[in-house]
Amino acid sequence: TQLLEQSPQFLSIQEGENLTVYCNSSSVFSSLQWYRQEPGEGPVLLVTVVTGGEVKKLKRLTFQFGDARKDSSLHITAAQPGDTGLYLCAGIGSSNTGKLIFGQGTTLQVKP
Amino acid sequence: NAGVMQNPRHLVRRRGQEARLRCSPMKGHSHVYWYRQLPEEGLKFMVYLQKENIIDESGMPKERFSAEFPKEGPSILRIQQVVRGDSAAYFCASSPTAATYNEQFFGPGTRLTVL
Repeated sequence: TQLLEQSPQFLSIQEGENLTVYCNSSSVFSSLQWYRQEPGEGPVLLVTVVTGGEVKKLKRLTFQFGDARKDSSLHITAAQPGDTGLYLCAGIGSSNTGKLIFGQGTTLQVKP
Repeated sequence: NAGVMQNPRHLVRRRGQEARLRCSPMKGHSHVYWYRQLPEEGLKFMVYLQKENIIDESGMPKERFSAEFPKEGPSILRIQQVVRGDSAAYFCASSPTAATYNEQFFGPGTRLTVL
């Protein structure tokens, strides 16, 4: 069974601080996706990483895919209150039907 | 271009009743996935459908749950004889293909409460 472990589960920081969220697995994934979910809404896709070692940037967010394609990280620079939300990593399962396997999520709170 | 639509957004049922959740995928998308999010947990895959076909139902409970995606109309997730443990947020996602790097677009979810 493929699993994705996210850490930390909860993070509360002050505005302006940096943070990193980790997504780890013992399995290889063909791609990993990062989503952000607001309360009462569905997940919104932030980025897809496909190649081992790949780094993608989205404004203050930096996403990295591990060389072995078993792990990924999300780094936020100078966090702002608007970054508050639930961050989810997800990988395409080995069944190749496209179903996503999600991590437990990281709840981020950025205090002004 | 409208996104994935789900209705109702909130559904309250008493134990033993039936719940029907609807999902209209994005225009041009013929692949639909259903996920369930229990309180304090991540999203769990339930079922993957293409038009008129169930492709992967490995995440569906063996009893009381069924799904369909007819040639015309929305995809339906049906839960018969609901129990309190079925209370959760149910999300539908659609994609244009099932390719390895497919990107899935999620609807706003249906929050089911079983009294």
